Amino acid sequence: GQQVKQSSPSLTVQEGGISILNCDYENDMFDYFAWYKKYPDNSPTLLISVRSNVDKREDGRLTVFLNKSGKHFSLHITASQPEDTAVYLCAAGENQGGSAKLIFGEGTKLTVSS
Amino acid sequence: EAAVTQSPRSKVAVTGGKVTLSCHQTNNHDYMYWYRQDTGHGLRLIHYSYVADSTEKGDIPDGYKASRPSQENFSLILELASLSQTAVYFCASSDAGGRTGQLYFGEGSKLTVL
Repeated sequence: GQQVKQSSPSLTVQEGGISILNCDYENDMFDYFAWYKKYPDNSPTLLISVRSNVDKREDGRLTVFLNKSGKHFSLHITASQPEDTAVYLCAAGENQGGSAKLIFGEGTKLTVSS
Repeated sequence: EAAVTQSPRSKVAVTGGKVTLSCHQTNNHDYMYWYRQDTGHGLRLIHYSYVADSTEKGDIPDGYKASRPSQENFSLILELASLSQTAVYFCASSDAGGRTGQLYFGEGSKLTVL
């Protein structure tokens, strides 16, 4: 089954509003959580990430919240702008015997309307 | 800035033919990954490697082989291409130091199997 899941395939937010993107995971061994941004016909790029020892991390307009007991993390984008329109991919990582792999969700297409 | 280059960027193959997608990184990273992107599935991990001459299966390895002849190069091989393998393929590298970390992606290779 899908180890990392984004239940909302799309989200539309008004310019200036708060975009909230959600991600659920299944594996208790995940200890790294990240959000990537992807424009059409471009490669994904890292936006923000956290390790499992913190519950929250802020970087400018971006905030990641991690709820380990609920196996859930989210990305909040304040003051959303049209240029935030993109596909957002959540990802979670685990380490197995020295090898590290990152598992992605299905993606949420965010549209910020002006 | 991390540099990961993929070739070819686009390819049309016939069903049953052999396809090799190549990836080269100049970051001196130990970890390399192959993902495929399909609408509604996000990025799914096919194979990955954390040392030359060794590869690991990801979540969807069936129908694919991988080769890591050197730290810089990582290839994805489709021995008998099938229609269902039409997708965009992304290579990535990471200097995780044994722990999951930021992935640097290539530009993607669009494969169409007819």
